[in-house]
Amino acid sequence: GDSVTQMEGPVTLSEEAFLTINCTYTATGYPSLFWYVQYPGEGLQLLLKATKADDKGSNKGFEATYRKETTSFHLEKGSVQVSDSAVYFCALWANTGNQFYFGTGTSLTVIP
Amino acid sequence: GAGVSQSPSNKVTEKGKDVELRCDPISGHTALYWYRQSLGQGLEFLIYFQGNSAPDKSGLPSDRFSAERTGGSVSTLTIQRTQQEDSAVYLCASSLRKDNEKLFFGSGTQLSVL
Repeated sequence: GDSVTQMEGPVTLSEEAFLTINCTYTATGYPSLFWYVQYPGEGLQLLLKATKADDKGSNKGFEATYRKETTSFHLEKGSVQVSDSAVYFCALWANTGNQFYFGTGTSLTVIP
Repeated sequence: GAGVSQSPSNKVTEKGKDVELRCDPISGHTALYWYRQSLGQGLEFLIYFQGNSAPDKSGLPSDRFSAERTGGSVSTLTIQRTQQEDSAVYLCASSLRKDNEKLFFGSGTQLSVL
């Protein structure tokens, strides 16, 4: 069945460091891929998405490229800030079903 | 309202009791989802409502779990005879329509079964 596997955390980085959070997926057909973010005390919110192969989603300095050949959608940011501290969830929408499939979440802490 | 509202934010109950969790989606959103987030686990799909269609209940873990959505708006998730393994954060999300992929999440209900 469809599933998402993402890098386990927690991840701790210094401010201005480079961030990569790995995400790979298994799906039939051509899913849409997402990154959601959950800031402390808040609900999950959409960070970025890509709906077809080679698309790049970007928002708030974060980027992720839909790689069909490696079934991956890794999240990257060139220079993290303390305000980026949150839990990041990779997700997949299968287009043929009624649900999103979410990864287990990766907790990121950025220290000054 | 401005966002998805869930209540209560925290619920502590004794094993064997029934609980009701409420979700008030964004006005006009026809799709509504319930997910469960357990410690160290991803989001587990529970149930999906779309307009007046029959709900997709394929994710409900047992017959102790049920949900309804009245008038295409507010939804209630009911857990009967709660067990300790039901302890989790229950998240509700809504979207404008089935094929709109952007979910808006509530802040969740933290359920603790003692």
